[in-house]
Amino acid sequence: EPEVTQTPSHQVTQMGQEVILRCVPISNHLYFYWYRQILGQKVEFLVSFYNNEISEKSEIFDDQFSVERPDGSNFTLKIRSTKLEDSAMYFCASSETGLPTDTQYFGPGTRLTVL
Amino acid sequence: AQTVTQSQPEMSVQEAETVTLSCTYDTSESDYYLFWYKQPPSRQMILVIRQEAYKQQNATENRFSVNFQKAAKSFSLKISDSQLGDAAMYFCAYRRGTGAGSYQLTFGKGTKLSVIP
Repeated sequence: EPEVTQTPSHQVTQMGQEVILRCVPISNHLYFYWYRQILGQKVEFLVSFYNNEISEKSEIFDDQFSVERPDGSNFTLKIRSTKLEDSAMYFCASSETGLPTDTQYFGPGTRLTVL
Repeated sequence: AQTVTQSQPEMSVQEAETVTLSCTYDTSESDYYLFWYKQPPSRQMILVIRQEAYKQQNATENRFSVNFQKAAKSFSLKISDSQLGDAAMYFCAYRRGTGAGSYQLTFGKGTKLSVIP
């Protein structure tokens, strides 16, 4: 069965550095999402992406964040200048149509640690 | 804004027994969907079961069933005949059914389920 994959599984970075988290959604899916979970807290929505542009973003998704689909397979989340509070598990998800009845398929996550 | 609350951070169940995980939510919308996702250790979240708010009948998927109480805004998950492979973090999630924009999920904090052999 097709799966969403994410790399790396764990990223350690220094505060102020840029990081890029990578995701490969399921190949025929059109909607892509990033969520994050700070340790001990809820999984929170960051951004959704469709047709090469942001569909919706949360208040967490400020100017430090950006998303891109650089080719036909990858979907990336960039954090320009990481802060300590960006330490979290970041989950990528994809769905075929983006409709509310549609299942979102999640990747295993990237654990980001900012020192 | 919608909120999802899971009041049980951890639960345990004996193998072959039944366990119920609780979830409550708050919304002013009438059209929405509710989900339970399972996340085994170091694995991705997978969908366990889905409930459409307009359906009165509770959803079932093999050993998994829900008790959906729309008026009480309650959505509990019952796992029957628990197996060792059911040990995981379980997330309750909400998604609106109409309106502009994308249909992202709103999650609860999760319940960690342990299965005792």
